[in-house]
Amino acid sequence: DTGVSQNPRHKITKRGQNVTFRCDPISEHNRLYWYRQTLGQGPEFLTYFQNEAQLEKSRLLSDRFSAERPKGSFSTLEIQRTEQGDSAMYLCASSPFQWSNYGYTFGSGTRLTVV
Amino acid sequence: GENVEQHPSTLSVQEGDSAVIKCTYSDSASNYFPWYKQELGKRPQLIIDIRSNVGEKKDQRIAVTLNKTAKHFSLHITETQPEDSAVYFCAASRNDYKLSFGAGTTVTVRA
Repeated sequence: DTGVSQNPRHKITKRGQNVTFRCDPISEHNRLYWYRQTLGQGPEFLTYFQNEAQLEKSRLLSDRFSAERPKGSFSTLEIQRTEQGDSAMYLCASSPFQWSNYGYTFGSGTRLTVV
Repeated sequence: GENVEQHPSTLSVQEGDSAVIKCTYSDSASNYFPWYKQELGKRPQLIIDIRSNVGEKKDQRIAVTLNKTAKHFSLHITETQPEDSAVYFCAASRNDYKLSFGAGTTVTVRA
């Protein structure tokens, strides 16, 4: 387990289709985060989990977005009825509960293009 | 919520010179300030961070300074090398889980 793994790396979808991304965090990390990054901008917080509990959701996360972490290990982010504005890099990160000495470890992201 | 502004948006330096990136934040309760480096097509990686009880932190050629009164913090890279070319993001957090990022600075080191 050498880092945070995200799949797929790239996804091209037609407007209106549903997509699902997967994130596998570092195994001993019990916190998992989803961020969205658009071109020329810094990552924006979407949501985070502590174990299987989703503790906060950004208002950026509309009703079309849902994230799960059913067993406190991997997480999925689903976007329903995709729109062109959803095109972005979706980054997952993980950290230990006591992150003070470690910060986040990011995955390489899933780049979504909605055509 | 927290608002982090980062300047400049682009920075070109001669190899061997120093680079300085500045960020300001709005939430006086923010107490954790990391810096991330993102190379083209790669994930952001933590390069240095500082907490509000410390005014300065250094790690080899990289240093970060924090002025809590003025609510700004800066990244200093000395003796720049071509491999320092990347996008650098500052961030701030008032809790232990959510980061608010700046818009990034694209640093180009000219050989």
